[in-house]
Amino acid sequence: DIQMTQSPSSLSTSVGDRVTITCRAGQSISSYLNWYQQKPGKAPKLLIFAASSLHSGVPSRFSGSGSGTDFTLTISSLQPEDFATYYCQQSYRTPPTFGQGTKVEIK
Amino acid sequence: QVQLVQSGAEVKKPGSSVKVSCKPSGGTLSSHAISWVRQAPGQGLEWMGGIIPIFGSANYAQEFQGRIKITADESTSTAYMELSSLRSEDTAVYYCARDISEAGTYDGFDIWGQGTMVTVSS
Repeated sequence: DIQMTQSPSSLSTSVGDRVTITCRAGQSISSYLNWYQQKPGKAPKLLIFAASSLHSGVPSRFSGSGSGTDFTLTISSLQPEDFATYYCQQSYRTPPTFGQGTKVEIK
Repeated sequence: QVQLVQSGAEVKKPGSSVKVSCKPSGGTLSSHAISWVRQAPGQGLEWMGGIIPIFGSANYAQEFQGRIKITADESTSTAYMELSSLRSEDTAVYYCARDISEAGTYDGFDIWGQGTMVTVSS
């Protein structure tokens, strides 16, 4: 299975800040990388697919980049509704595997 | 917008089985793969397996081989996940999720069910 490692595990930040979350794959996965947002008690929501494509309805302050083994999710200006946990997931090889998550908290 | 509607919460004894259903509202299963992903309390997301309904072929994560069965009933447009030999560590929220692609592959999950809490306790 392809291991996915996110950093940091958590971060404290403020509304309006720029936030960057990193995801590293255990082997090259080309651009087969997706990002999800999950709020407590809710199902995850797809934000970014294929490393950099914004899913329908997702605000443009979210962006993704990277290829190979290193990827980033950037939130350009954090909004109150963005405090949540974020997961990366590789779709290069079955089984799909997720990172351990990054919790974005209010400072 | 298609939604996935799952069956309700379950409480099970260790050693028993649970079967969770997942049905799209206002649509059919179609050629999108349906995956099952679970999340133990306070933990991350774990893919358990998936099925391509029009083919009926299922794939399972190694960890669950031998005690998981994923099926799809095209006549009722319902997908099912059955997990047997339950233990306390299987206590989790179980989600079904539709794949973003119609290619019959696991490319990413664009529509999720609301989740089904399964509690395993004696």
